Amino acid sequence: AQKVTQAQTEISVVEKEDVTLDCVYETRDTTYYLFWYKQPPSGELVFLIRRNSFDEQNEISGRYSWNFQKSTSSFNFTITASQVVDSAVYFCALSESFTSGTYKYIFGTGTRLKVLA
Amino acid sequence: GAVVSQHPSRVICKSGTSVKIECRSLDFQATTMFWYRQFPKQSLMLMATSNEGSKATYEQGVEKDKFLINHASLTLSTLTVTSAHPEDSSFYICSAVPQAGPYEQYFGPGTRLTVT
Repeated sequence: AQKVTQAQTEISVVEKEDVTLDCVYETRDTTYYLFWYKQPPSGELVFLIRRNSFDEQNEISGRYSWNFQKSTSSFNFTITASQVVDSAVYFCALSESFTSGTYKYIFGTGTRLKVLA
Repeated sequence: GAVVSQHPSRVICKSGTSVKIECRSLDFQATTMFWYRQFPKQSLMLMATSNEGSKATYEQGVEKDKFLINHASLTLSTLTVTSAHPEDSSFYICSAVPQAGPYEQYFGPGTRLTVT
């Protein structure tokens, strides 16, 4: 069965600290996609990144970086020099194979990040 | 591109009444839309998959007679909560998959339903 685990329920850091949000997934598909979303207090999901199972390159976007390791089935997200505006709930998600035509996502339980000034 | 809207953004209704939530893909056609429910401090729970022109597929434990889904066009899906009760109060989020790709979900801003 497919599953996404975000073991960290809540993390608090002081502004300018680096923080890593963990995501571990399970799937039997060889082709799949992984996502990270940010959900600020407004509730709207903000897309951060999509990564397919064949691309293990790490990605950096400004203060955000992602580490995808198939060997450990992990797709971790690091925020460098955190800011108060980074305070939100962050969800990791796994998509079933698009070849099935379902496009369903399996969401983790989310990690609530609090960045203190 | 790939914008999804939801209307209303917030709604308060009385117990026993029905409320309809609209999900629109504004700049693309979507044969598949999804409806999620999110309780406070919890993750998104998939309620149903809505396919244009056919009946929705409901996840286990979701009452199809309670949550009516209609996907009458390639840009609109509606969720009607019938005979709403306070326990139906929640944040409802829809998403849409572009017919022409990319085959990923684009999320609406959500609708906060409060049943009094």
